[in-house]
Amino acid sequence: AQTVTQSQPEMSVQEAETVTLSCTYDTSESNYYLFWYKQPPSRQMILVIRQEAYKQQNATENRFSVNFQKAAKSFSLKISDSQLGDTAMYFCAFMKPADRGSTLGRLYFGRGTQLTVWP
Amino acid sequence: NAGVTQTPKFQVLKTGQSMTLQCAQDMNHEYMSWYRQDPGMGLRLIHYSVGAGITDQGEVPNGYNVSRSTTEDFPLRLLSAAPSQTSVYFCASRPGDRYNSPLHFGNGTRLTVT
Repeated sequence: AQTVTQSQPEMSVQEAETVTLSCTYDTSESNYYLFWYKQPPSRQMILVIRQEAYKQQNATENRFSVNFQKAAKSFSLKISDSQLGDTAMYFCAFMKPADRGSTLGRLYFGRGTQLTVWP
Repeated sequence: NAGVTQTPKFQVLKTGQSMTLQCAQDMNHEYMSWYRQDPGMGLRLIHYSVGAGITDQGEVPNGYNVSRSTTEDFPLRLLSAAPSQTSVYFCASRPGDRYNSPLHFGNGTRLTVT
């Protein structure tokens, strides 16, 4: 079974500062996909960023970037210039391409990190 | 685009009652799934479907049934609700031929079983 671990249940950061959320995973697969989802108080699940394991270059989406360390099985999310609207629960998720003979992979989630951005 | 639509948004049940959580998507996605979210537990997969007529169990399937008669709809049935099923439920979908594409989530259903 795949496991995804987020070791920081809660974090806080001051507006305009940078914060890094940690995520580690356990897998024997060589090809897989990693995601960060954001869940604000509205409860909506929003994709923040994704990374394909065969790509060595770290993914970047505006103020959000990842530090993907495949050998260490680590996938941390860096938020630069934090904004009040970044306050949310952040979930790290892992997906391998195939499961049970299907070509459609299952998504495994970590337990989440509650990020609070304060003025 | 409506995306993934879940109904109802809130529901209170008494132990032993049955109900169906509805999920519909208008993106012609083959893959649909149900997750439950509990505090400190992240999202756990209940059931999923890779196409009409095809369903399979996830991590926590006990107490839930699903069916997939059309591409658009993937209802989740609770046959006899229990307090342990108090949770927030999310439906999510993804294109079938792009397994690296992210899930599209509905806005969730908050269910309380008393």
